[in-house]
Amino acid sequence: DQQVKQNSPSLSVQEGRISILNCDYTNSMFDYFLWYKKYPAEGPTFLISISSIKDKNEDGRFTVFLNKSAKHLSLHIVPSQPGDSAVYFCAASTLSSWGKLQFGAGTQVVVTP
Amino acid sequence: ETGVTQSPTHLIKTRGQQVTLRCSSQSGHNTVSWYQQALGQGPQFIFQYYREEENGRGNFPPRFSGLQFPNYSSELNVNALELDDSALYLCASSRGQQGSNTEAFFGQGTRLTVV
Repeated sequence: DQQVKQNSPSLSVQEGRISILNCDYTNSMFDYFLWYKKYPAEGPTFLISISSIKDKNEDGRFTVFLNKSAKHLSLHIVPSQPGDSAVYFCAASTLSSWGKLQFGAGTQVVVTP
Repeated sequence: ETGVTQSPTHLIKTRGQQVTLRCSSQSGHNTVSWYQQALGQGPQFIFQYYREEENGRGNFPPRFSGLQFPNYSSELNVNALELDDSALYLCASSRGQQGSNTEAFFGQGTRLTVV
């Protein structure tokens, strides 16, 4: 039962442009969402998170938007840089199961010159 | 402040054998979670340890077991290895507290191959 879904397995974007990664979830009890970036042969690196009481959180080039009614969140990366080429995972948890993350399948981002 | 470290980084085992993977949590973190990541998939939650006690388990059979030590480091043990156990095993630590969410920080993983 996949409760967190990333329907785009890959995304190609030009350097300097915006990357938009999408994530949908089915469990309305999720109240904390995170994005991780993963390079080959490394563990996931935390990027940014958002609590369900907010609809936007920004950290430098990264902004996460949360639409609770649509059970949808997105990650915007502006401007995209070659070092952003990686697999991006969306993850979610509930307050009662804090720290136990459910992940999407990931989106491979390739930033081209 | 040291990050999360896992050992070994790679391991090859034969079907039916047993394996122990190790994780040192980040300084100040009292919660360790283990995940299995199969090729092309996202990490799947195995179980979590909070202050040396198991605090939740995912959909994994009992042959997956774990421990957390007083210094909050942790072990993942897998008995009777099956070919499908071949995966990247990730450990994540966090500063856990009941009723609050916080980000988890991952180690580099242990790549287990069962032949």
